[in-house]
Amino acid sequence: QVQLQESGPGLVKPSETLSLTCTVSGGSISSYYWSWIRQPAGKGLEWIGRIYTSGSTNYNPSLKSRVTMSVDTSKNQFSLKLSSVTAADTAVYYCAREAGGYTIFDYWGQGTLVTVSS
Amino acid sequence: QSALTQPASVSGSPGQSITISCTGTSSDVGSYNLVSWYQQHPGKAPKLMIYEVSKRPSGVSNRFSGSKSGNTASLTISGLQAEDEADYYCCSYAGSPVVFGGGTKLTVL
Repeated sequence: QVQLQESGPGLVKPSETLSLTCTVSGGSISSYYWSWIRQPAGKGLEWIGRIYTSGSTNYNPSLKSRVTMSVDTSKNQFSLKLSSVTAADTAVYYCAREAGGYTIFDYWGQGTLVTVSS
Repeated sequence: QSALTQPASVSGSPGQSITISCTGTSSDVGSYNLVSWYQQHPGKAPKLMIYEVSKRPSGVSNRFSGSKSGNTASLTISGLQAEDEADYYCCSYAGSPVVFGGGTKLTVL
């Protein structure tokens, strides 16, 4: 059974960079797309971007200038960096596997709350 | 790209059927048969319920079905049960990025 676990600081200061890592267990990270999705409290889901195990990426156009994703296949991990954060970036951040085709998010992490505050 | 449009809330009694709509544009829902639906209970991660418009993952009840016409996709839940009360999100491919709907809160009366 594939499991995903997000990790990283729960509190980030405004203007700094948010950094999260997703560790995949119970299966290989290879040959899949891996996405980050966030959800502000009481609001809907927002797709941040995806990375393939080759390193190729696609980002949400509205966040593209601030987002960087990377993958480490040796550790079965992929990561998110979001720069110049503001309070609007406060949200629960989920990592998810996008399998079999676009929009098929079949496995999700439990989510991690990141608060942007000084 | 803009979020897909869903009704904020729908409700139904146990045993009834409800339908949640998801309206996009010719750049997303209308162009691709890559629409999925997710169920989210409070404090939990979303769960895939429908993919590629009308396909059900293994383990998902056949009470859940999906369809699409033009720029609008729909999720139908038949034989409503108390455990179906949750938020539901549609999701569509938009030519590389992915766009979600704003979510619909389903209340089982």
